[in-house]
Amino acid sequence: QKEVEQNSGPLSVPEGAIASLNCTYSDRGSQSFFWYRQYSGKSPELIMSIYSNGDKEDGRFTAQLNKASQYVSLLIRDSQPSDSATYLCAPDGGGNTPLVFGKGTRLSVIA
Amino acid sequence: SAVISQKPSRDICQRGTSLTIQCQVDSQVTMMFWYRQQPGQSLTLIATANQGSEATYESGFVIDKFPISRPNLTFSTLTVSNMSPEDSSIYLCSVRQGDYGYTFGSGTRLTVV
Repeated sequence: QKEVEQNSGPLSVPEGAIASLNCTYSDRGSQSFFWYRQYSGKSPELIMSIYSNGDKEDGRFTAQLNKASQYVSLLIRDSQPSDSATYLCAPDGGGNTPLVFGKGTRLSVIA
Repeated sequence: SAVISQKPSRDICQRGTSLTIQCQVDSQVTMMFWYRQQPGQSLTLIATANQGSEATYESGFVIDKFPISRPNLTFSTLTVSNMSPEDSSIYLCSVRQGDYGYTFGSGTRLTVV
């Protein structure tokens, strides 16, 4: 299975700051990735997918993929306390393959 | 994206008994995936369920303990058999719908006493 590594945190940032969440992977065949957010007691929800090298922006969220260095990151600008959650990274295995998540990074945004 | 109805949302069960969890999807999907999330941990894949064939289980999970049914393209069940306190977890089903990525059911919080 394709695996990813994430720092489990917790990562604490002050409100309004930029939160940077990182994910490294070992399988060079991984071409695209998903970022999911999971609030405590809830199921994961999709934030973004990224399929090509570089940056992809969606509102306050920016996903970055660097295939040469084998990492994918998620930046959250103007972090809010409502962003406090666990963020899960997973490679897209394509087709009908399941998601295999990393350990997830717990983010805490302090008001 | 697909909408998944998962039942029950929670249950408290006696050890040695079994619980069947149901997931109903509002559209036809080829594969359904079942996960376990132990307290404070990430999601661990239990098995992949394809309609009309036996489920494919991940290492550490066996059919006798977690039998899965997939009678049609919109429905699947996961049974947790002969439960022990170690089975206390959240169980989730998931499907993929093309470019919409993966959608998850709301989860079943199981407590075994």
